[in-house]
Amino acid sequence: DVKVTQSSRYLVKRTGEKVFLECVQDMDHENMFWYRQDPGLGLRLIYFSYDVKMKEKGDIPEGYSVSREKKERFSLILESASTNQTSMYLCASSFALTYGYTFGSGTRLTVV
Amino acid sequence: QQQVKQSPQSLIVQKGGISIINCAYENTAFDYFPWYQQFPGKGPALLIAIRPDVSEKKEGRFTISFNKSAKQFSLHIMDSQPGDSATYFCAASGSARQLTFGSGTQLTVLP
Repeated sequence: DVKVTQSSRYLVKRTGEKVFLECVQDMDHENMFWYRQDPGLGLRLIYFSYDVKMKEKGDIPEGYSVSREKKERFSLILESASTNQTSMYLCASSFALTYGYTFGSGTRLTVV
Repeated sequence: QQQVKQSPQSLIVQKGGISIINCAYENTAFDYFPWYQQFPGKGPALLIAIRPDVSEKKEGRFTISFNKSAKQFSLHIMDSQPGDSATYFCAASGSARQLTFGSGTQLTVLP
């Protein structure tokens, strides 16, 4: 089975800090995704990557950036954390852009 | 613009009952419709999926019904069990675009 590992389960950061969320997958998938999950809003796509060093904006990219230097690793960066970025962040990978997503267990980020 | 609308937001069902969650989509180019199940503290996991060339797909107690003309699809959970209590997300994709998710339904099955 594909395993998607997110480095932290819980994070507490201060407003204005630069925050790095790390995600690693072990099945050589081309595509990787970052979503945020908020009650009543479902999963909203922040960024995705279909190849090393390639990235595409999702639906809510503002305040975020990403990095994919190696195929197995996809990082989400909050340049200057704000309280409205308090959320559950989910990483996923897939062999195809349109289906076959495998999710990590999520990182619950609290910005104070 | 929300392209996949999911209802209800929450659902409470007695053990042994039928749970029904509905989704509607707008983009006629969508051609893949999965359902994901998420337990507390876990990421979503693929439960069952359907393509529009069939109207129904069944896997065990889980069935997807698909109505292409109405642009609607639904998840039916037969003989619902307390272990089915989770959050369920519908999703859709097509035209080489990534998955778009619904807003989720929190299902509680009472013992």
